[in-house]
Amino acid sequence: DAGVTQSPTHLIKTRGQQVTLRCSPKSGHDTVSWYQQALGQGPQFIFQYYEEEERQRGNFPDRFSGHQFPNYSSELNVNALLLGDSALYLCASSSDGRYGYTFGSGTRLTVV
Amino acid sequence: RKEVEQDPGPFNVPEGATVAFNCTYSNSASQSFFWYRQDCRKEPKLLMSVYSSGNEDGRFTAQLNRASQYISLLIRDSKLSDSATYLCVVNDIRTNAGKSTFGDGTTLTVKP
Repeated sequence: DAGVTQSPTHLIKTRGQQVTLRCSPKSGHDTVSWYQQALGQGPQFIFQYYEEEERQRGNFPDRFSGHQFPNYSSELNVNALLLGDSALYLCASSSDGRYGYTFGSGTRLTVV
Repeated sequence: RKEVEQDPGPFNVPEGATVAFNCTYSNSASQSFFWYRQDCRKEPKLLMSVYSSGNEDGRFTAQLNRASQYISLLIRDSKLSDSATYLCVVNDIRTNAGKSTFGDGTTLTVKP
């Protein structure tokens, strides 16, 4: 049973560019959340998708947007990249958040 | 003030020691609580849920005090393999799944 898979694993982009990160949730999970983790900090909630809609959103600007597809997979898009967007981006899936989330191994984004 | 605050650490303990981590949260609407473990440059992995009655899983014991908005994790008989960062997580569940707020983590190093 595959867990949460994310792609790509590493990415280098130039300031001002746009990036798309992808996530496939664990089998049986229908909810996908995205997090940004800077070095030395805990993951920061970006947003959550359920039934193809953004259900909750953290304190991130509109440059961060996402999508969920009918098969529950999800994308995170970041426009107009800033140097400060360099971080590990984690996708987490669940079927019921009361029992915790399963994380993917993340995409490490470097903006130069 | 952060929504979830943890002991800053780091904790450096010898093998076999007992170590305790503390965590406080500010959102009284929080309904689910977890401890995750994160190894260096890896994704967080669910260690255990935390229940009001307290719960134990082998050498690990978690406690929740809703009145004080305080969570703890106790590790007995520490092993070298327990070396990691421990993240306290609080869920604000208003629907089936909710926003997870992470602390910045406490780093534990177990030495021979």
